[in-house]
Amino acid sequence: DAGITQSPRHKVTETGTPVTLRCHQTENHRYMYWYRQDPGHGLRLIHYSYGVKDTDKGEVSDGYSVSRSKTEDFLLTLESATSSQTSVYFCAINDAGYEQYFGPGTRLTVT
Amino acid sequence: RKEVEQDPGPFNVPEGATVAFNCTYSNSASQSFFWYRQDCRKEPKLLMSVYSSGNEDGRFTAQLNRASQYISLLIRDSKLSDSATYLCVLRASSNTDKLIFGTGTRLQVFP
Repeated sequence: DAGITQSPRHKVTETGTPVTLRCHQTENHRYMYWYRQDPGHGLRLIHYSYGVKDTDKGEVSDGYSVSRSKTEDFLLTLESATSSQTSVYFCAINDAGYEQYFGPGTRLTVT
Repeated sequence: RKEVEQDPGPFNVPEGATVAFNCTYSNSASQSFFWYRQDCRKEPKLLMSVYSSGNEDGRFTAQLNRASQYISLLIRDSKLSDSATYLCVLRASSNTDKLIFGTGTRLQVFP
């Protein structure tokens, strides 16, 4: 299994609070991605990173920001959580190929 | 029209059966096709890549039909442990590494 961890694994938070999810990899891969998965939708890309301090927006980036100050860590922040951001969040990595390998996910509930 | 479409299922089959899933895609420029497997409340895991000439991995066979824009996955001699959701995944074009995910087809194998 790819060395990817996510924290926290579960979180319940209130509307309007900031939330930060962490993705940590031990593979030294350049490329990292954040997705959300909701019923009726495939995984949708939120943000991605091609290296330290090199990030860009995916298809559903509104309300989210990211940071990557070290190769191994990719942080996803919800500046002010809303109920529509209740979802399962997956981090993924790849290296030179196009296959992506996923972390175990974070289940976020915004009440 | 969705970029990737899959029959959501569920496909309920007995152990030992052969089952096939199809996935259609709308963009003829799509590249790099994959099947991922996702167990309930777990992360997606790469099952196999799909090559133009078709490829086999044990009981699993993947086919690509570019003319009709679909890929297929055939599972022979189904096992209880094959019960999962199978995600069709592709790279949208040759100048991107970003993947597009189908919503998945659920397979339930019963004794």
